[in-house]
Amino acid sequence: EAGVAQSPRYKIIEKRQSVAFWCNPISGHATLYWYQQILGQGPKLLIQFQNNGVVDDSQLPKDRFSAERLKGVDSTLKIQPAKLEDSAVYLCASSLDPRALTGELFFGEGSRLTVL
Amino acid sequence: KNEVEQSPQNLTAQEGEFITINCSYSVGISALHWLQQHPGGGIVSLFMLSSGKKKHGRLIATINIQEKHSSLHITASHPRDSAVYICAVREIAGNQFYFGTGTSLTVIP
Repeated sequence: EAGVAQSPRYKIIEKRQSVAFWCNPISGHATLYWYQQILGQGPKLLIQFQNNGVVDDSQLPKDRFSAERLKGVDSTLKIQPAKLEDSAVYLCASSLDPRALTGELFFGEGSRLTVL
Repeated sequence: KNEVEQSPQNLTAQEGEFITINCSYSVGISALHWLQQHPGGGIVSLFMLSSGKKKHGRLIATINIQEKHSSLHITASHPRDSAVYICAVREIAGNQFYFGTGTSLTVIP
């Protein structure tokens, strides 16, 4: 079974530039999460999708971050314009329908962003 | 506020030592996960627990729902166990995951 795919693995940009990350979850997983992990900290939820609908985006900095999951499968996370403090690993994770409350969480390899 | 607290933050052990990492949480949960993250790598799920104890090879995870506490044990530790171990809980109310800040383990040969 293929895991959660993310790209790119690494990205270096200058501040005020834009960047986009892509995630393809495990086939059949209705729930998709984007997390931001700053060095030395645990993952912080940015946005949670259930199929193509947003369940929780309360911690997404909406002035510069956007995310979509148009067909309920793969997703993109965009940052525009980037700030220095956006340097982090962006993790995508997926799980089965959360109504299956004990569903396991599967992570991608992450996309490491460095903003100069 | 931190819904999930882990201890210790950093841990160095000699190869062969028995290791314990602790996790306490403050919300009602449907499941607790222990995750492993290697430097530069993605996160791998080690265990998902809702009660009792699970064992996989040299790894053992326990949970006490009444005390809202879980432990991850590594027996006969090895340098390849060096990684960050993260405790995460799935909240019943909102189905959201909360993560601890991780325990960085270094096992010295």
